[in-house]
Amino acid sequence: AQSVTQPDIHITVSEGASLELRCNYSYGATPYLFWYVQSPGQGLQLLLKYFSGDTLVQGIKGFEAEFKRSQSSFNLRKPSVHWSDAAEYFCAVRLGGGSYIPTFGRGTSLIVHP
Amino acid sequence: NAGVTQTPKFRVLKTGQSMTLLCAQDMNHEYMYWYRQDPGMGLRLIHYSVGEGTTAKGEVPDGYNVSRLKKQNFLLGLESAAPSQTSVYFCASSTAPDRGTGEQYFGPGTRLTVT
Repeated sequence: AQSVTQPDIHITVSEGASLELRCNYSYGATPYLFWYVQSPGQGLQLLLKYFSGDTLVQGIKGFEAEFKRSQSSFNLRKPSVHWSDAAEYFCAVRLGGGSYIPTFGRGTSLIVHP
Repeated sequence: NAGVTQTPKFRVLKTGQSMTLLCAQDMNHEYMYWYRQDPGMGLRLIHYSVGEGTTAKGEVPDGYNVSRLKKQNFLLGLESAAPSQTSVYFCASSTAPDRGTGEQYFGPGTRLTVT
């Protein structure tokens, strides 16, 4: 069965520090990959996505993610975190072709210290 | 363009009561989804729809029913609410896989408490 793993439940960083959130998936082929952010009390918002081409993708709010086929990973990065980045982050994966149901990771809660 | 909207935003029910949550989207998306979110559990898919008049079960469908009579609306019903259905419910919509990458657009959520 397909699965998405976000190994870190919580991550704490200081404002201005760099950030990397991990996401691993188990699929045979290259899937469609997404990162979403959920601010407190809000719905999820798409940060970025990957489906083909350049393996380093840029998203909104200064985030980027790199697809590494050999590691089945799609880690999210930001060079300098702002206090407003404190939120829940979800990685999601969807198989290609006619598959339309994504699988979500359980999320990583980002805490930002001033 | 309002995107995905959900009604109501909050609701408190007594055990055994029924209610319907309404989701509406104005992006002409074919696919719509209902999720529940509980602490530590991430998002769990309840039901989904790939088009008007069609629905399918997701990961946790028991105790819920859905209907998609119009393309823009997706209703989630609880016939007899139970405390285990206390949760935050999210609706989402997306294009069909053959028309894009299928990223989802989420509503703001409905916080439901069953006492």
